Amino acid sequence: GESVGLHLPTLSVQEGDNSIINCAYSNSASDYFIWYKQESGKGPQFIIDIRSNMDKRQGQRVTVLLNKTVKHLSLQIAATQPGDSAVYFCAVLSGGYNKLIFGAGTRLAVHP
Amino acid sequence: GAGVSQSPSNKVTEKGKDVELRCDPISGHTALYWYRQSLGQGLEFLIYFQGNSAPDKSGLPSDRFSAERTGGSVSTLTIQRTQQEDSAVYLCASSLRAGANVLTFGAGSRLTVL
Repeated sequence: GESVGLHLPTLSVQEGDNSIINCAYSNSASDYFIWYKQESGKGPQFIIDIRSNMDKRQGQRVTVLLNKTVKHLSLQIAATQPGDSAVYFCAVLSGGYNKLIFGAGTRLAVHP
Repeated sequence: GAGVSQSPSNKVTEKGKDVELRCDPISGHTALYWYRQSLGQGLEFLIYFQGNSAPDKSGLPSDRFSAERTGGSVSTLTIQRTQQEDSAVYLCASSLRAGANVLTFGAGSRLTVL
């Protein structure tokens, strides 16, 4: 089976700093990874995804890094803003499966 | 529709009663998923549909939980004889097809069982 874990349940950063949220997965056959952001009272929203044939992908202010050797995924947010405050989930799709397995989530708190 | 719509947004019920939660996926999305999110927790997979069929219902916690999808569109999640541990936010998501597509989530239905 697949399990997904997060290293830190809560991350506090100051506005303008860079944030790094980490995630570990267990199944080496996993081939698709997604980061979601969930604000209070809302459903998760897609941020960025990456396939296993890549080790880095960049979006607007966000970068996802994938290290398949140690089965580790990270989300980097540049110049963190108050609007980035939310819970961030990594999710993994394993080969042969049609469902995403979510990690427990990391709460990001941005302080002025 | 423009997004995934869920109803009701909030439901308070008494222990032992049955509840139905509804999901309207994005038009044209053939895959539909149900997840459960307990307070402060991650998302727990319940069931997914491809069209009207449910190839994977392995996440349903007990036989009190069931779901159906009709016309390849609307889905209903039914919880019979609700228990307090059923209290959670039930999230629905849809995608163009099952597998390697991004899921678009609704805002969820918050269920409170007294």
